[in-house]
Amino acid sequence: AQKITQTQPGMFVQEKEAVTLDCTYDTSDPSYGLFWYKQPSSGEMIFLIYQGSYDQQNATEGRYSLNFQKARKSANLVISASQLGDSAMYFCAMSPENFGNEKLTFGTGTRLTIIP
Amino acid sequence: GAVVSQHPSWVICKSGTSVKIECRSLDFQATTMFWYRQFPKQSLMLMATSNEGSKATYEQGVEKDKFLINHASLTLSTLTVTSAHPEDSSFYICSASVDRGTEAFFGQGTRLTVV
Repeated sequence: AQKITQTQPGMFVQEKEAVTLDCTYDTSDPSYGLFWYKQPSSGEMIFLIYQGSYDQQNATEGRYSLNFQKARKSANLVISASQLGDSAMYFCAMSPENFGNEKLTFGTGTRLTIIP
Repeated sequence: GAVVSQHPSWVICKSGTSVKIECRSLDFQATTMFWYRQFPKQSLMLMATSNEGSKATYEQGVEKDKFLINHASLTLSTLTVTSAHPEDSSFYICSASVDRGTEAFFGQGTRLTVV
């Protein structure tokens, strides 16, 4: 079984500052994929970034980077230079495969609010 | 990315009635589709996996007779909530992938309210 833990129910961050959203996971699968999604108030799930368990380098996508520490089973999302439009729910998720995002197990999410 | 469309975006129905939610892949053929449920202020929980032309695989604790899933074509999967009750009120969201192990794209979700 897979489990995702997000310990920050909510965060308030000043605009233009960097923010780190925490995510730890637990799995017995030898390979897996880790994902971050953004869910604005409208409800759709917006894919942000992906990290495969065998990837040596941390994933980056524009202002998003994933701080992957396999030994500690953590996959924190870092958003640089936060913007007002970043205010949303953020979910960490994992899949049992090292690619693809099917059969995702989600964490409970972190509500990020950017303060002007 | 590819486009997945859900219909309706929101629906209100009376207790005891059935409601059907559609999930369509608009610009690709989806061999596999996934249905998730999200209760207010909670996370998404996988309900079932549907494969075109075969029976859906339900996650533990999900009543297959209550949540009927049909994946009759490569571009359409439907979720029917039968005899809906207020506790079924939730946000239902689907995702679709071309094949196992490939990226799945999410629909915009359907908010169901049972009164």
